[in-house]
Amino acid sequence: DVKVTQSSRYLVKRTGEKVFLECVQDMDHENMFWYRQDPGLGLRLIYFSYDVKMKEKGDIPEGYSVSREKKERFSLILESASTNQTSMYLCASSLTPARAQYGYTFGSGTRLTVV
Amino acid sequence: GQQVMQIPQYQHVQEGEDFTTYCNSSTTLSNIQWYKQRPGGHPVFLIQLVKSGEVKKQKRLTFQFGEAKKNSSLHITATQTTDVGTYFCAGQPSGTYKYIFGTGTRLKVLA
Repeated sequence: DVKVTQSSRYLVKRTGEKVFLECVQDMDHENMFWYRQDPGLGLRLIYFSYDVKMKEKGDIPEGYSVSREKKERFSLILESASTNQTSMYLCASSLTPARAQYGYTFGSGTRLTVV
Repeated sequence: GQQVMQIPQYQHVQEGEDFTTYCNSSTTLSNIQWYKQRPGGHPVFLIQLVKSGEVKKQKRLTFQFGEAKKNSSLHITATQTTDVGTYFCAGQPSGTYKYIFGTGTRLKVLA
């Protein structure tokens, strides 16, 4: 089974801190994604990457950046954490669009609280 | 912008009753996927529908893709307590590679 591992299950950070959320997948998937999940808003796409060193903005990229230096690792960076970034963050990976019928595989999520 | 709306937001049913959630897209979709998220868990892929009018079944779950490829439904027959969770659809607008997730329907099953 594909495994997507997120480095932390829970994080508490202070306003203004720089925050790194790490995600690693072990099945050589080309695509990786970062979503945030908030009650009543579903999953909203922050950034995604179709290849190493490649990134594209999703629907809500403001206040975030990403890094993909290796195929298996996709990092989400909160440059200066704010309280409105308190949320559940989900990383996902998938095969290329041509083989999308296998869907996304999600990590267990990181619940980030910014105080 | 492109949106995928999902209704209802919540549904409580008695065990044994049927349940349906609906997804509607503002644009034509290449395909649509369905996911289940158990309480405290992460979304897990269930199925993908590609063809207009397509119907697929997984045991008590029936998935349908509309003729116009703008809507979809998930129907659960005779719900069980193990069906509890939030069901998401995710549509891929034609001409794009991204998937847009619906807001989800949270199902509670009362024993």
